[in-house]
Amino acid sequence: GENVEQHPSTLSVQEGDSAVIKCTYSDSASNYFPWYKQELGKRPQLIIDIRSNVGEKKDQRIAVTLNKTAKHFSLHITETQPEDSAVYFCAAAGGTSYGKLTFGQGTILTVHP
Amino acid sequence: NAGVMQNPRHLVRRRGQEARLRCSPMKGHSHVYWYRQLPEEGLKFMVYLQKENIIDESGMPKERFSAEFPKEGPSILRIQQVVRGDSAAYFCASSPSGRAGSYEQFFGPGTRLTVL
Repeated sequence: GENVEQHPSTLSVQEGDSAVIKCTYSDSASNYFPWYKQELGKRPQLIIDIRSNVGEKKDQRIAVTLNKTAKHFSLHITETQPEDSAVYFCAAAGGTSYGKLTFGQGTILTVHP
Repeated sequence: NAGVMQNPRHLVRRRGQEARLRCSPMKGHSHVYWYRQLPEEGLKFMVYLQKENIIDESGMPKERFSAEFPKEGPSILRIQQVVRGDSAAYFCASSPSGRAGSYEQFFGPGTRLTVL
């Protein structure tokens, strides 16, 4: 089955800096890669996703890049703000696993004012 | 348009009791997924259901856990004879389709199960 590895496990940045979180996946048939933000005690919220027919997608301060050959994808947050502080999860789906999401281990992002 | 609903939000059970967790998908969504999140860990897939069908239960423990999504009513995750290791947040997600290209899943608020 699919296996997703996520790095780093914790990330601390100053407000205004950029943050990058990286994930690798194992199943070359996976074709859908969402990113979720989870605040303490809350539900995971979809912030951006990318499908395998594109290499990059951007939404305001958030962007995701995908390298299918290397089987890795990354989340980029620019001009970070304290409210960006949360746990971020990458996930992969598709191929033989239908819509089931396989999640990475999560990254605790802390943005210091 | 109401989002994914889960109840109860918090559930306390003693060891050996049964826990029933309910999930109502978003309107128009016929695909339901259950995930478990242990304290300070990531989300682990448990089961994927459509109405009256279990599509993928590869993440379900072999014993004590079962799930259903009847023709009418919410999806139910049932845990029999709970043990302390079952303490976790259980999230339900729904999507409009399971077909390729339609994988957006929207999560409910979760049920936090505590086993004493």
